[in-house]
Order: sequence, then C-alpha cells, then structure tokens
Amino acid sequence: GAGVSQSPSNKVTEKGKDVELRCDPISGHTALYWYRQSLGQGLEFLIYFQGNSAPDKSGLPSDRFSAERTGGSVSTLTIQRTQQEDSAVYLCASTLRRGRDTDTQYFGPGTRLTVL
Amino acid sequence: AQSVTQPDIHITVSEGASLELRCNYSYGATPYLFWYVQSPGQGLQLLLKYFSGDTLVQGIKGFEAEFKRSQSSFNLRKPSVHWSDAAEYFCAVGTAQGGGNKLTFGTGTQLKVEL
Repeated sequence: GAGVSQSPSNKVTEKGKDVELRCDPISGHTALYWYRQSLGQGLEFLIYFQGNSAPDKSGLPSDRFSAERTGGSVSTLTIQRTQQEDSAVYLCASTLRRGRDTDTQYFGPGTRLTVL
Repeated sequence: AQSVTQPDIHITVSEGASLELRCNYSYGATPYLFWYVQSPGQGLQLLLKYFSGDTLVQGIKGFEAEFKRSQSSFNLRKPSVHWSDAAEYFCAVGTAQGGGNKLTFGTGTQLKVEL
C-alpha cells in the first residue's frame, strides 16, 4: 500500500515568509510525528499527534512553529516568519496504534526547506 | 534526558567485509532501541528494533544488533557488506512521553563501501 507522503518535496522561500508543509500518513495510522533533520542539529523530534490532538509539542523550537492535524489524517506544519536557521529537511512519520512502544514509525521522504 | 552517541561519523569497508557500527545510549529506564538507514534523498527505513527479551536482534537486509545493558550499547553488525549497503545509519532510543514514543537519534554514521 501507499506509504507516508509529504509535500512539497522541496521548498525555497525568502526569509520572513510563512511556509506550510504537508504530511499524509499511512491510511489508518492514528499516531503521527514530525522531525527535523539539519546539518547543525541532526535529527530532532518536533511534535507528536494522537488523532487530532498533540499531547507532546516539546520539540517545537519556537512559537513560530505550529502544527495541526485534521480528521485524524493529514497534518500541516507551519513555520511563520521563516529564518535561515529553519533550513532543514522536515520528516513526518506515522504509526498504526496509539504510540505504543512496539510500533514502527514509518517515515516519509521529507520536505527540504531552504530559506534564503 | 536521553541521548544517543554514534562515535564514528564515517566508516569505509570493502565489499564482503564485516561491519560493526557503534551506538551508545543514555536513558534512565529500560530503553527501546532502533537502527534506521537513510539512503540519499530517501526517508528513514527501520532495520531493526529492541524492546525486551533476546538481546540479539535480527533485522532486515542481513543486519543484527546486540543490546548490552552493562555497556549501554546497541551495536549494529553485518557479516558481509554489499555495495548497496552504502548509506547513512542512525541509532535511536524511543522514550514514552505523552502517550507517544518519540525517537532521539544519534548523529549518524556514513557508510562507504569500496568495491
């Protein structure tokens, strides 16, 4: 079946602009995670969704970052007033059950964000 | 707070040679440990995972890893490397928080395979 998809695959924006990144999890997967992969910081957790709620937002780096999930499916990560340090690959992952330890997180291909 | 250390940034091996990638973790409770592989332009693919039980875990593509609690290690091994194994490898520890299982990753080891 289809895996996790993310769009766009690449996004170039100017400093100060807002961007939206989209994640389509595997159908039926209830848990969804966002991570960021950057040269300086490696792979970092950003936020976790269970259904439409986000019980763990501890990884969001600033209040310019927000995310939502609607219908227990698609999630959007929004970065307002982008800065150059936001340049990174943003990865989304989903799991079948309610964040259980034994569940594999299936990752999408990522969105490469470049802030000029 | 949890952390993962992968001391080798780059490793080069010859095709057919054995491979061991090192991973050390720091976590106060029983760890849930993972190895992921990332090929250029691709997302992360799970190679194997450890939650409990047998400390020697078998994964896909002929990989295995051994959990050693006394050494806080979870090293990845493969007896004979193939050229297609060239990629970046990430070790991760999963920590239950807020009902989820967020992953904390190491900085990765870039594997180059010489033919």
